[in-house]
Amino acid sequence: AQSVTQPDIHITVSEGASLELRCNYSYGATPYLFWYVQSPGQGLQLLLKYFSGDTLVQGIKGFEAEFKRSQSSFNLRKPSVHWSDAAEYFCAVGAQNTGFQKLVFGTGTRLLVSP
Amino acid sequence: NAGVMQNPRHLVRRRGQEARLRCSPMKGHSHVYWYRQLPEEGLKFMVYLQKENIIDESGMPKERFSAEFPKEGPSILRIQQVVRGDSAAYFCASSSDKTGNYGYTFGSGTRLTVV
Repeated sequence: AQSVTQPDIHITVSEGASLELRCNYSYGATPYLFWYVQSPGQGLQLLLKYFSGDTLVQGIKGFEAEFKRSQSSFNLRKPSVHWSDAAEYFCAVGAQNTGFQKLVFGTGTRLLVSP
Repeated sequence: NAGVMQNPRHLVRRRGQEARLRCSPMKGHSHVYWYRQLPEEGLKFMVYLQKENIIDESGMPKERFSAEFPKEGPSILRIQQVVRGDSAAYFCASSSDKTGNYGYTFGSGTRLTVV
């Protein structure tokens, strides 16, 4: 069965510092991978997605992620964090074997940004 | 384009009452998905519907939960005889096709509290 692991429950980063959020997945075929961001009390916003092709994916708000098949990882990065980036970040894998795009989510990483 | 609309945003029910959660997909989207987010957890798939059809309900609890997406009107997630363990955020997402290749759009969720 598909699964997603986000090993860091909380991460604190200073404003202006770089950020990397880890995501590891388990999936038998080429995965469809997503990163979503959830601000408090809000829904999920898609940051970026990987289906195929270039393994470095650019997203909105200056985020990027790199797909590494050998490590089963899809880590999210940002070179310089802004205070408005404080939120919860979810990695998800799309399970295609069900005939439709069912998303399996990790448990999330809460990002805190210190001044 | 109003996006995916969910209402109510917050819902409080006493144990044993019924909860009705509504979701209007984005204009042009005919595929609707419901996900549940328990406290401190990621989102978990519940059900996938197209107009007048339940396509996959493998994530729905066997009892008390039902979903519909009628020809006219919003999709409804109904929880009968609610219990404390039903307290969660319920998110609806929609897409223009079942593959999700164009991405899901999530609503802001309904936060259900059972007292």
